[in-house]
Amino acid sequence: AQSVTQLDSQVPVFEEAPVELRCNYSSSVSVYLFWYVQYPNQGLQLLLKYLSGSTLVKGINGFEAEFNKSQTSFHLRKPSVHISDTAEYFCAVSGDNFNKFYFGSGTKLNVKP
Amino acid sequence: DAGVIQSPRHEVTEMGQEVTLRCKPISGHDYLFWYRQTMMRGLELLIYFNNNVPIDDSGMPEDRFSAKMPNASFSTLKIQPSEPRDSAVYFCASSLTGKSPLHFGNGTRLTVT
Repeated sequence: AQSVTQLDSQVPVFEEAPVELRCNYSSSVSVYLFWYVQYPNQGLQLLLKYLSGSTLVKGINGFEAEFNKSQTSFHLRKPSVHISDTAEYFCAVSGDNFNKFYFGSGTKLNVKP
Repeated sequence: DAGVIQSPRHEVTEMGQEVTLRCKPISGHDYLFWYRQTMMRGLELLIYFNNNVPIDDSGMPEDRFSAKMPNASFSTLKIQPSEPRDSAVYFCASSLTGKSPLHFGNGTRLTVT
């Protein structure tokens, strides 16, 4: 079975500082990778996706992620965070051989003033 | 596009009662997923449909849970009888294909007392 590991359950960071949220997956086949964001009392929203092509993917709100096949990672980064980025972030994987999504346990990003 | 619509947004019921959660996926999306989110377990896939047919219900916790998709624009998740441990936020999501990004509804917060 596939799995997604988000190593940090919580990440505190000061406003305007850079941040990296880590995600590793286990799969030996082609995968599609996603980052979702969940604000309080809302559903998950797509932040960005990697399907193929360039390994550096840019998403909404200034976020980007890099697909690293050799390290089976898909870390999310933002060079300068805002208070409004405070939310929970989920990494997810799907693939050619499995028509469903596997989600990580989530990382709560807390941006402090 | 109205997005994925779930109803009700909140449901409070007593143990033993039947609960029905509803979902209208995005028009044209062939896949529909039901997830449950709790603090302890995170996001769990309960069941998913392809073209109205249940494909994988291995995540359905018990026989008390059932899901139907009578047509392409409507799905229900029923719990009968409900128990306090069923308290969670239930999300419906749809996607164009099995590998396309998921579009989530805002969820139904279920409280069973």
